[in-house]
Amino acid sequence: DTGVSQNPRHKITKRGQNVTFRCDPISEHNRLYWYRQTLGQGPEFLTYFQNEAQLEKSRLLSDRFSAERPKGSFSTLEIQRTEQGDSAMYLCASSRGTASMNTEAFFGQGTRLTVV
Amino acid sequence: GNSVTQMEGPVTLSEEAFLTINCTYTATGYPSLFWYVQYPGEGLQLLLKATKADDKGSNKGFEATYRKETTSFHLEKGSVQVSDSAVYFCALSTRNTGNQFYFGTGTSLTVIP
Repeated sequence: DTGVSQNPRHKITKRGQNVTFRCDPISEHNRLYWYRQTLGQGPEFLTYFQNEAQLEKSRLLSDRFSAERPKGSFSTLEIQRTEQGDSAMYLCASSRGTASMNTEAFFGQGTRLTVV
Repeated sequence: GNSVTQMEGPVTLSEEAFLTINCTYTATGYPSLFWYVQYPGEGLQLLLKATKADDKGSNKGFEATYRKETTSFHLEKGSVQVSDSAVYFCALSTRNTGNQFYFGTGTSLTVIP
């Protein structure tokens, strides 16, 4: 396993277009997280899945943001009607956890979104 | 709520100098604490972790001790190298918030020869 994989690495889109990013986690990891990172800031939590269940989505930035993990494996993050303020690095991470244990999160290299 | 506060950078040190990056936290519940590092052009990598009070995490010459009484997890290294130049993030996770990770704003370190 080569770690968490994100595609594409870079995306340039025009304002108002929809974009979708993909994340393939480490195969035995049941938890998958999406974060957003802007310049000079730490990663900001967006949402997370345990297997295919999205257990926390209140931190998604607006209703233009949505995420899925249909079979508990890969996940997609979609941004509809992009705005210039959506320009950022979008990070995916995965971990192996239970109710009583949490391992560290392993991060992908991110997808850098530029909205022009 | 949960949050992490890191000392602000940027930090510039000469090679072989002693490094301390301060990190304090607030948490509901009993958190696990982490330091992540981001080298230029790369993703976040786990540097070290500690899961209970008084635990010391260590890796690559870096150390941090989980201090519950002062709610701190300061990162230290006795002798930095040019290759340690990166951005360092302190983070916590707690089981009662779904194990999501809360990050500090990061501290940029530049080591000059």
